[in-house]
Amino acid sequence: AQKVTQAQTEISVVEKEDVTLDCVYETRDTTYYLFWYKQPPSGELVFLIRRNSFDEQNEISGRYSWNFQKSTSSFNFTITASQVVDSAVYFCALSEARNYGQNFVFGPGTRLSVLP
Amino acid sequence: DSGVTQTPKHLITATGQRVTLRCSPRSGDLSVYWYQQSLDQGLQFLIQYYNGEERAKGNILERFSAQQFPDLHSELNLSSLELGDSALYFCASSQGGHSSYEQYFGPGTRLTVT
Repeated sequence: AQKVTQAQTEISVVEKEDVTLDCVYETRDTTYYLFWYKQPPSGELVFLIRRNSFDEQNEISGRYSWNFQKSTSSFNFTITASQVVDSAVYFCALSEARNYGQNFVFGPGTRLSVLP
Repeated sequence: DSGVTQTPKHLITATGQRVTLRCSPRSGDLSVYWYQQSLDQGLQFLIQYYNGEERAKGNILERFSAQQFPDLHSELNLSSLELGDSALYFCASSQGGHSSYEQYFGPGTRLTVT
């Protein structure tokens, strides 16, 4: 069975600090996808990144970076020089890739508060 | 604006009632997903449709059903409502039916069961 753990329930940082959100997953499949989503206070869900299980390259997008390590089943998300607008709940998710469609499992989310 | 629309925005109803939530995907997207977000259950995947056919099922209760119509809009039907069904229901769409496609989320429908 699939499972996603986000051990950090809430994190508070001061603006301009770097922060890392942890995500640990469990799956028996060898082919799967990992995702990060952002849910700002306004409530909408925003897709941030998708990574497949065969691509362990780290990715950087502006102030955001992701570290995928299959050996530890982790897909951590780092925000560099955090800003108040980064305050949101962040969800990590796992999907097993199947021909007949996908089945998503979300972590419980990490609430990030960036203080001015 | 993701291009995914959901109606209504808010819905208040009583226990035992039935409601229908509607979702229109982005233009060109063939796949629609439904999710439920509640305080106690977190964010849960309910069901996926691709070009009118059911593709994947998650934690969807038997009291809930969904369908995708020929014009690709989708409806989620919730019946015999219970207090615990109060939640935010999101719809998302993607171009294809596989996990490799990016999903775009609608603003959600907030359902309150009293």
